[in-house]
Amino acid sequence: AQSVTQLGSHVSVSEGALVLLRCNYSSSVPPYLFWYVQYPNQGLQLLLKYTSAATLVKGINGFEAEFKKSETSFHLTKPSAHMSDAAEYFCAVSDRKGSNYKLTFGKGTLLTVNP
Amino acid sequence: EAQVTQNPRYLITVTGKKLTVTCSQNMNHEYMSWYRQDPGLGLRQIYYSMNVEVTDKGDVPEGYKVSRKEKRNFPLILESPSPNQTSLYFCASSPGAGRSSDTQYFGPGTRLTVL
Repeated sequence: AQSVTQLGSHVSVSEGALVLLRCNYSSSVPPYLFWYVQYPNQGLQLLLKYTSAATLVKGINGFEAEFKKSETSFHLTKPSAHMSDAAEYFCAVSDRKGSNYKLTFGKGTLLTVNP
Repeated sequence: EAQVTQNPRYLITVTGKKLTVTCSQNMNHEYMSWYRQDPGLGLRQIYYSMNVEVTDKGDVPEGYKVSRKEKRNFPLILESPSPNQTSLYFCASSPGAGRSSDTQYFGPGTRLTVL
């Protein structure tokens, strides 16, 4: 089965600083990887996804992630944090079994942005 | 607007009182799924459905039932809720046309408290 590990349950940055949220995956097949964001009291919104077309994936709100097969990583970055980026971020891997298109999620990383 | 809707958004109930959380999508998606989100555990799949009248268990199905009588609706039923089912529930849908890379779209969530 596929799995995802998010290093750091809580990351705190200053406004304007680099955001780096770490995600490592375990997969027996070429993976499809996703980053979702959850703002307070809201559902999950897709930030970006890797589908093997390009290793550097650009998403919404200035986020991007780089797929590194050798490191089994898919870290999420943003050059300059904004107060509105404060949210919980989930990395997920497509864990398809037959007709079940399940996503296996990491435990999430709560991003705090300090003024 | 393409969306997944859930009702109710918040629910407080007592042990043993049957309840239903509704989920509806307007994107003509084949695949629908329920997840629960608990602190420190991320999201875990409860049930999924590949099509009308086709449902199957996910990772944590105990205490839950689902039905898929229409393509757009996928209600989650708790016939005898218990306090350990206090959680945040998300419904999701995706095209399900054989592509593991398809984005899954999430509803806004239902926060359930069982006393």
